[in-house]
Amino acid sequence: EVQLVQSGAEVKKPGESLMISCKGSGYSFTSYWIGWVRQMPGKGLEWMGIIFPRDSDTRYSPSFLGQVTLSVDKSISTAYLEWSSLRASDTAIYFCARYPSGYTTAWNDAFDIWGQGTMVIVSS
Amino acid sequence: DIQMTQSPSSLSASVGDRVTITCRATQDISNYLAWFQQKPGKAPKSLIYAASSLQSGVPSKFSGSGSGTDFTLTISSLQPEDFATYYCQQSYSFPPTFGPGTRLEI
Repeated sequence: EVQLVQSGAEVKKPGESLMISCKGSGYSFTSYWIGWVRQMPGKGLEWMGIIFPRDSDTRYSPSFLGQVTLSVDKSISTAYLEWSSLRASDTAIYFCARYPSGYTTAWNDAFDIWGQGTMVIVSS
Repeated sequence: DIQMTQSPSSLSASVGDRVTITCRATQDISNYLAWFQQKPGKAPKSLIYAASSLQSGVPSKFSGSGSGTDFTLTISSLQPEDFATYYCQQSYSFPPTFGPGTRLEI
């Protein structure tokens, strides 16, 4: 079964760092782009960026460029979303999702598989 | 960024009904349009890509149509499990953007 399994909920203080994960299984992890989507409390979906596990090529939405960092460890089929200094406004659920494509224009496609989401709460 | 709008923002329907949700882009996006279903507390589920192609495993009661700026998602014979929020997303122009969602409720 193709699936993405995300790490558990986090509660952090403003200014702290955080890395959440998304582990792929059931398919060739290095062959498909992985994207991240934010959902703030009670709000809609926001596309953050994508990463290609084979070479760590990344594309960031301008809204998130410089705010987060995407990375992968292909040896364990895991993608990461990282913050160096959290803010209260980072409180949200974060989803990873897969593009069924290995092309550099994969973002032209549509996500096919989603992780279950990771809730991040940032509060003093 | 291309802005996506959806109408209605919420919709009341009954089991067995057929409903249509509309999504509109602020510029021509060809057929680079996807639809997602999200139930409360759950991850989105991919339904349709390229405006009208069903994702694997999605029942044929879901159908999508449209091209250019105007798109529709139609759900036939509503069942209790179909009551959810539906989002459209354009992937024609970077960055991809989602519509605000349509909440389908009983």
